[in-house]
Amino acid sequence: DIQMTQSPSSLSASVGDRVTITCRASQDINKYLSWYQQKPGKAPELLIYGASNLETGVPSRFSGSGSGTDYTFTISSLQPEDIATYYCQQYDTLCTFGQGTRLEIK
Amino acid sequence: QVQLVQSGSELKKPGASVKVSCKASGYTFSSHTINWVRQAPGQGLEWMGWINTNSENPTYAQGFTGRFVFSLDTSVSTTYLHISSLKAEDTAVYYCARWGDYGGADYWGQGTLVTVSS
Repeated sequence: DIQMTQSPSSLSASVGDRVTITCRASQDINKYLSWYQQKPGKAPELLIYGASNLETGVPSRFSGSGSGTDYTFTISSLQPEDIATYYCQQYDTLCTFGQGTRLEIK
Repeated sequence: QVQLVQSGSELKKPGASVKVSCKASGYTFSSHTINWVRQAPGQGLEWMGWINTNSENPTYAQGFTGRFVFSLDTSVSTTYLHISSLKAEDTAVYYCARWGDYGGADYWGQGTLVTVSS
């Protein structure tokens, strides 16, 4: 099974800050990586697919990058509505989620 | 518009079974795989597996074999998750999600809370 190690597990940042979350796979996942946002009590929403492709309708302040085993998710300028938990998911071999990153406003 | 609508919350006793439904609309049902994802209270997302809505072939993640069964009824565009021999640790919100054309689960059901308690 492919393991996904996501960090940090929690993060506190101010409005306007640049925020970065990383995911490391236990083997090359060939950019088969998605990022999701989940707000409390709600279903997750797809933000990024294929490591760097923005899902339709997602604000451009969200972006993703990476290749091989190492991937990064970035919010260029944190907004209050971005408070949520973020998950990476590999889909190179079956699927695996990262442990999640809880993002809070400082 | 694409929608996945799940059945309502369930309260079950240990050892019982439960069947959660996920009805799809707004797209061609057989053209997208349906995933199932579990989220225990206060915990992260766990991918349980998926079912190919064209071949009806299910694939299960490690840890979700045996007591967990995916099925579907194409006549009503509905996918089912059946869990048998329920345990307290099966208490969770279960989500169905459509796999998108380019990768990632692009539409999700609202979630179904299954509570297992004596």
